Amino acid sequence: AQSVTQLGSHVSVSEGALVLLRCNYSSSVPPYLFWYVQYPNQGLQLLLKYTTGATLVKGINGFEAEFKKSETSFHLTKPSAHMSDAAEYFCAVSGTSYDKVIFGPGTSLSVIP
Amino acid sequence: DTGVSQDPRHKITKRGQNVTFRCDPISEHNRLYWYRQTLGQGPEFLTYFQNEAQLEKSRLLSDRFSAERPKGSFSTLEIQRTEQGDSAMYLCASSLDAGFEQFFGPGTRLTVL
Repeated sequence: AQSVTQLGSHVSVSEGALVLLRCNYSSSVPPYLFWYVQYPNQGLQLLLKYTTGATLVKGINGFEAEFKKSETSFHLTKPSAHMSDAAEYFCAVSGTSYDKVIFGPGTSLSVIP
Repeated sequence: DTGVSQDPRHKITKRGQNVTFRCDPISEHNRLYWYRQTLGQGPEFLTYFQNEAQLEKSRLLSDRFSAERPKGSFSTLEIQRTEQGDSAMYLCASSLDAGFEQFFGPGTRLTVL
């Protein structure tokens, strides 16, 4: 079985500040891990993914995440927040067969000018 | 490549009515997935197809729900005798095959009055 928890349903940061969104997962099989972003009234867009290899993964729009197996974590970071980063962010996990993706509850990011 | 498309984008119906949604995957994508997203939650897996074969159904998919992909191209999701609890965003995704990234459509927002 797989599951995802995201600490903090809502995070506010100032423009230019560090963005840190937390994600912990549970998986009985080697996981694939993902971060998706969803803007209002839009579909999900993949920010980045970890499958195998390098544990620090870089994605679009300056985001990156680090897979830490010992901590079962996959936190998302961005050095400097931009107003356009305000959105809902979902952490997700799947097995290596990528049959279905299990999503976390989401974290709403607000960026304060 | 026009991406995954879904129709309609919005549907308002009265309790007890039947509704049908359509999903057109990216051309030549063999896998097609359906998810449901309620307000403030992450998407939840419903079912997926490999070509025309429905390979897995979630327990969330009650007997009132049926999905088809008759020719291995587009898919339909029908909800019979809708209930207010069916109000949600219904997301479709497609992938080239097993083990490949899922691309999401914009979703169909269902409101049951």
